[in-house]
Formats: sequence, structure tokens, C-alpha cells
Amino acid sequence: DAKTTQPPSMDCAEGRAANLPCNHSTISGNEYVYWYRQIHSQGPQYIIHGLKNNETNEMASLIITEDRKSSTLILPHATLRDTAVYYCIVRVYNTDKLIFGTGTRLQVFP
Amino acid sequence: DTEVTQTPKHLVMGMTNKKSLKCEQHMGHRAMYWYKQKAKKPPELMFVYSYEKLSINESVPSRFSPECPNSSLLNLHLHALQPEDSALYLCASSYYRESNQPQHFGDGTRLSIL
Repeated sequence: DAKTTQPPSMDCAEGRAANLPCNHSTISGNEYVYWYRQIHSQGPQYIIHGLKNNETNEMASLIITEDRKSSTLILPHATLRDTAVYYCIVRVYNTDKLIFGTGTRLQVFP
Repeated sequence: DTEVTQTPKHLVMGMTNKKSLKCEQHMGHRAMYWYKQKAKKPPELMFVYSYEKLSINESVPSRFSPECPNSSLLNLHLHALQPEDSALYLCASSYYRESNQPQHFGDGTRLSIL
């Protein structure tokens, strides 16, 4: 199973872009990268996912390197409400398993 | 706001009690999941249902008994739990199994075993 590696914590000033990195060097060609976040006392919230192309939605952008060994989640204008644990997950091919890593705790400060 | 609703939000029970957790979704999803999350740890998959049939049991002890009465409902029946079973129990759903579409989670039931 492809594993992910994320920094345990990051800080970001409110209004600035938050760039959260993720390494997944053992990813297979048909495995997707998913990002979720979990705010304290809530369930994980889906943010975005992608295979090889960069993706953007109303919440964030996902940049995947050409070799697919790493990706970056970008929150373009972080707010205090974006303070959460962010999980980068590689979806095991053709299964239901979302194997959550330890995540990055993002702290947005005023 | 989550579209997966879990009740109750909190549950305290003794080791000899029998209780049930409930999960409901009205998004037309045909795959539903139970996860367990211990404090300061990531969620771990317990069960997967597909079209109301159990597809995956991740070697969960029999004191946890899942049930899927229809495509919108998922229950988790609890009996003779141990203190180490105290955790946040999360329900999720997706369009169908092995789809690349994301799983959507509820806010969980926080379970405490006395």
C-alpha cells in the first residue's frame, strides 16, 4: 500500500496561502490522491482529489508533481476556520480503503 | 454541514449494556462505511457495506455487529464492550464501492465505556 508522509504541523497567517506538502513516493499509476481535513470534534471533511492533473475547486487547489511522488494542497486565502488536521491519502487501487496517515496540524493565526 | 447524519452524538454505556449507533444518508449512495477513531489518531476502517450487503469486515471483534436495513441506513450494534472501545465512531458513504468518488463522513458518535 502506498504510504504518505506529511509534516506534523504548520503555521499560516490569516489571509495568506497555506501550502501543505505530501510525499507518496510509492504511489501506483492508478492510485488517486485524496485530501481531507478534520476540525476538532467533527468528522473528516472531503476537500479534493486527483490522479495526475492539477485540480481546483471552491475550497482548494491540488498540485501533483509530474512523477506523482508528491503533491501540495493549496488553500489560497487561509482563514481561522481552516485550522484543522489535514490528511493526505492515497486510495488503494480498486478497494474501499482510505488509509489515513498522521496528517498535518495546520494552525492559522491572526 | 454534513449530509451523513449520525445519532446519538454522545453515548456513555456500561460494559454489560446493549446499544446501537445509527447513520443515515439521503444522497443515493450505495456504499456505507464504519470507521473507528481513537483520540489523536487517524480513523481506521471497520466495515464496508455495498448495496446493503457486508463486503468488508476488518477483523472487528464480534461485540460490534453492523446492520444495513436499507440503502439509506446503517447501524452498529454494541454489546459487552470494553473500556478500550471508547472512541469516536464515524460513518461514511460513497456512490458505490471501489469508486474514485470521495467518501463523505458524518460527525461521529463519541462513545465512552465505563
